[in-house]
Amino acid sequence: QSALTQPASVSGSPGQSVTISCTGTSRDVGAYHYVSWYQQKPGKAPKLIIYEVSKRPSGISSRFSGAKSGNTASLTISGLQAEDEGDYYCCTYMYGSTLEGPFGGGTKLTVL
Amino acid sequence: EVQLVESGGGWVQPGGSLRLSCAGSEFRFSKAWMAWVRQAPGKGLEWVANIKEDGTAENYVASVRGRFTISRDNAKNSVYLHMNSLRGEDTAVYYCARDAAYNKFDIWGQGTRVTVSS
Repeated sequence: QSALTQPASVSGSPGQSVTISCTGTSRDVGAYHYVSWYQQKPGKAPKLIIYEVSKRPSGISSRFSGAKSGNTASLTISGLQAEDEGDYYCCTYMYGSTLEGPFGGGTKLTVL
Repeated sequence: EVQLVESGGGWVQPGGSLRLSCAGSEFRFSKAWMAWVRQAPGKGLEWVANIKEDGTAENYVASVRGRFTISRDNAKNSVYLHMNSLRGEDTAVYYCARDAAYNKFDIWGQGTRVTVSS
């Protein structure tokens, strides 16, 4: 069980844009500007691609963008490429303990 | 090169114990919160525990509290996860990660696999 809700899967064709949602509550996503996103390829460690809702680490393509509205954060990947295929996880911060932990359940992105 | 390298994974019987280690290099280890994150086969990421820079504060996910202990040795640039009373549901790849701020995990190790089975 995850604290944050993500769609299990999304798909898009090369060149298109896709958006992955991440829904939390007013105690986590809605309360703080601390949402991060991770990309994971099969057999590899996760990789930070967005932090503090919309900031990109050095070296991350500008095709990746993040936003937040209320209790829902989103990751948009524009100009979809075959190499973008993989799993994507959102993560939040919440003060105090949590039963479920800070990660979303993950979304599998398929590039058609 | 900035990196984290985990070790100590393996196979253990239910009820057994294991200690995972994670060594950091090329960053100020003693100034960083560190965390363990696991991933069961075919499942998503699960945050397990974290520890403050100086080791004076620790947090755990409810499912491991009382069974797992996170610790660190800043002189060795290392963080550890002591796992006791292991269960089948603890089977996973365990990653250590640097928590740069408020669950911003910006450096990850390659992972070490733990299998709990009879």
